[in-house]
Amino acid sequence: GENVEQHPSTLSVQEGDSAVIKCTYSDSASNYFPWYKQELGKRPQLIIDIRSNVGEKKDQRIAVTLNKTAKHFSLHITETQPEDSAVYFCAARGAGTGNQFYFGTGTSLTVIP
Amino acid sequence: NAGVTQTPKFQVLKTGQSMTLQCAQDMNHEYMSWYRQDPGMGLRLIHYSVGAGITDQGEVPNGYNVSRSTTEDFPLRLLSAAPSQTSVYFCASSQTSGGTGEQFFGPGTRLTVL
Repeated sequence: GENVEQHPSTLSVQEGDSAVIKCTYSDSASNYFPWYKQELGKRPQLIIDIRSNVGEKKDQRIAVTLNKTAKHFSLHITETQPEDSAVYFCAARGAGTGNQFYFGTGTSLTVIP
Repeated sequence: NAGVTQTPKFQVLKTGQSMTLQCAQDMNHEYMSWYRQDPGMGLRLIHYSVGAGITDQGEVPNGYNVSRSTTEDFPLRLLSAAPSQTSVYFCASSQTSGGTGEQFFGPGTRLTVL
């Protein structure tokens, strides 16, 4: 099956700086790559996603890039704010009939005021 | 819409006990799944379903059973609880095809097995 690796596991940035989280995947047939934000004690919530036919997608301070050839995708957060502090998960969805989601192990982001 | 709901929010079991975690969604989603979340290990798929009457195993299915008699409900059964099943359990749903493919998560069930 698919294998998703995520780095780094922890990340601390100063408020206003940028944060970058990277993920790689193994199955070239994966076609959907969402990013989730999870605050302490809460459920994961989708913040941005990208499909395999798109190289980059942006939503205000958040952007995701996808390199299908290298099989990696990245989350970019600019002008970080303390409320961006959370755990972020990347995921890849297979193209099979089960449409399973495979998750990375998460990145704990701390934005220092 | 209530989205995805889960009950209970918290549960403490003794080793060997059985219980059912409930999950329901009101978005008419075909795809439903159960994950467990453990520190440093992300979300691991336990079982999933692509529609009523159809279920399949995920990455970590041992010790768990599921059924999908209706589109709305997808309960997870622990047959004989073990301390290794202490975890936070999330149910999720999404459209199988079309739409954005976004998964919507329930609020989670925190389970402790003593």
